Amino acid sequence: KQEVTQIPAALSVPEGENLVLNCSFTDSAIYNLQWFRQDPGKGLTSLLLIQSSQREQTSGRLNASLDKSSGRSTLYIAASQPGDSATYLCAVGYGGATNKLIFGTGTLLAVQP
Amino acid sequence: GAVVSQHPSRVICKSGTSVKIECRSLDFQATTMFWYRQFPKQSLMLMATSNEGSKATYEQGVEKDKFLINHASLTLSTLTVTSAHPEDSSFYICSARSTSAIYEQYFGPGTRLTVT
Repeated sequence: KQEVTQIPAALSVPEGENLVLNCSFTDSAIYNLQWFRQDPGKGLTSLLLIQSSQREQTSGRLNASLDKSSGRSTLYIAASQPGDSATYLCAVGYGGATNKLIFGTGTLLAVQP
Repeated sequence: GAVVSQHPSRVICKSGTSVKIECRSLDFQATTMFWYRQFPKQSLMLMATSNEGSKATYEQGVEKDKFLINHASLTLSTLTVTSAHPEDSSFYICSARSTSAIYEQYFGPGTRLTVT
């Protein structure tokens, strides 16, 4: 069964701290992996998309890495800000005709000013 | 680019009535759209995959007669919750896959359904 797990479930850090969010998946035959941000009561904002052939992607203060063989991805947020407070979701795509996404359980991040 | 809209953003209905939610790709054509459901403080669960001009494919455990999906054009998919009950109250999110970027999904802002 294809499952995606995120650790920790919740995280509270002071402003300015660097932090790492973890995502693990049971089936390593992935096509791509995507990190999303979700604000309360809102839809999803795509942050980074990593293809299976890539090791990492960077956008501003965000860096996502992918280790297919170990079934893991990490999202690194540098110099966190209160505006980064949100739920972060990773989703794994397994390709095929539709590449439907399997979503992780999410990490609720609170950055304290 | 790649904007997906949903309408309505919020809806409250009485138990036993039906509710239709629309998902539109505004600036691209989407042969495939996905419907997800999200309970409070939980992750997204895929309900069904809809392909333009054909029947939707439902995930295991999702009642196709209760959640009717129609994908009549390359820019519009609808989800109708029939004979809604309070347990159908949830956040419904759609996504669309562009014909030109088939392995990336673009998500709508979601619809909050409350059944009283």
